Amino acid sequence: EDQVTQSPEALRLQEGESSSLNCSYTVSGLRGLFWYRQDPGKGPEFLFTLYSAGEEKEKERLKATLTKKESFLHITAPKPEDSATYLCAASGNTPLVFGKGTRLSVIA
Amino acid sequence: GAVVSQHPSWVICKSGTSVKIECRSLDFQATTMFWYRQFPKQSLMLMATSNEGSKATYEQGVEKDKFLINHASLTLSTLTVTSAHPEDSSFYICSARVSENIQYFGAGTRLSVL
Repeated sequence: EDQVTQSPEALRLQEGESSSLNCSYTVSGLRGLFWYRQDPGKGPEFLFTLYSAGEEKEKERLKATLTKKESFLHITAPKPEDSATYLCAASGNTPLVFGKGTRLSVIA
Repeated sequence: GAVVSQHPSWVICKSGTSVKIECRSLDFQATTMFWYRQFPKQSLMLMATSNEGSKATYEQGVEKDKFLINHASLTLSTLTVTSAHPEDSSFYICSARVSENIQYFGAGTRLSVL
């Protein structure tokens, strides 16, 4: 059964304190690994798609990386507006499977 | 990026009534749309895949007669929760497939059944 596990469940950072979020996946025939941002009461906002191990993508303070078993979302010098839930999802032979997300709080 | 509009954003209804939620792709055509359900602090759970012009494909455990899906055009899919009960209260989110590997999501609909 395809599974996506994210850790930690919640993360509290001071503004400027860099960190990483983890996404472990077990998916048959991985077609893509996705990162989304979700604000409270809103739908997920697309951030990145990664397709193969070793691939990296960046957007502002966010950088996503992919290995054969995990993906990391690195947040460099976060700001309070980066506070949100970050969702990881994997697409394989079955429809998109989501993790439960990491709730990030960035304190000024 | 592509825009997916979902309406309404919040609905309150009485137990036993039906509620329709609309999902529209505003600037692209979507032959495939998806409907998800999300409980607080939980992941998105796929309910069904909606294909334009054909019957929806439901995930295991999702009642077809309770959650009616219609995808009558390339830009509109609807989810109707029939005879809603309090246990149907949840956050429902639709998405539209832009390409093979990319989906864009609507803003979600919070359903509260009294």
